[in-house]
Amino acid sequence: GAVVSQHPSRVICKSGTSVKIECRSLDFQATTMFWYRQFPKQSLMLMATSNEGSKATYEQGVEKDKFLINHASLTLSTLTVTSAHPEDSSFYICSAPWREGRNEQFFGPGTRLTVL
Amino acid sequence: SQQGEEDPQALSIQEGENATMNCSYKTSINNLQWYRQNSGRGLVHLILIRSNEREKHSGRLRVTLDTSKKSSSLLITASRAADTASYFCATDARDYKLSFGAGTTVTVRA
Repeated sequence: GAVVSQHPSRVICKSGTSVKIECRSLDFQATTMFWYRQFPKQSLMLMATSNEGSKATYEQGVEKDKFLINHASLTLSTLTVTSAHPEDSSFYICSAPWREGRNEQFFGPGTRLTVL
Repeated sequence: SQQGEEDPQALSIQEGENATMNCSYKTSINNLQWYRQNSGRGLVHLILIRSNEREKHSGRLRVTLDTSKKSSSLLITASRAADTASYFCATDARDYKLSFGAGTTVTVRA
């Protein structure tokens, strides 16, 4: 099946710094990718839709200036958490639909962000 | 936004037993999907059922969908220790955006 990778898998940073998380589709092209965040023992919450070649669309309540998304190619989307604070500590997961017309999505393994 | 509610929140069963979990949702959907998540890992797609389908099977998995009640169930038969994980339902209303339920944590005891 299709594979989605994320890098890094874990990151610890100091409060106030910015952190970039990469999401790659390894064996297929993804014009659309999705970014989710998951707090411990909770469900996944959709943050934004990453669109190749255009601006990301953000869900209500998600600060676009806080969570910068860049979808520079058909296989790479990046999420940058700017000026991170402890409350941004979470598990960030990306996903991509395999191809048009196929509804199941492939998820990356996730990135655990800890902000000290 | 999260629209699915799942029950039970947690389930502990003996290896070989069946596990059943339920999911309810609020708005109309194109399809409903079930995913598994092992602790601290990404999600694995298990099965998708379309809004015009009522039941679907995949190996030891059986999914039902009742659109009149806006509910779905996932049955895992003959459970194994490797089935220990969290299970999430996700509804897809449009544009591949998934809205996830709260999840059911399943523990299979050897």
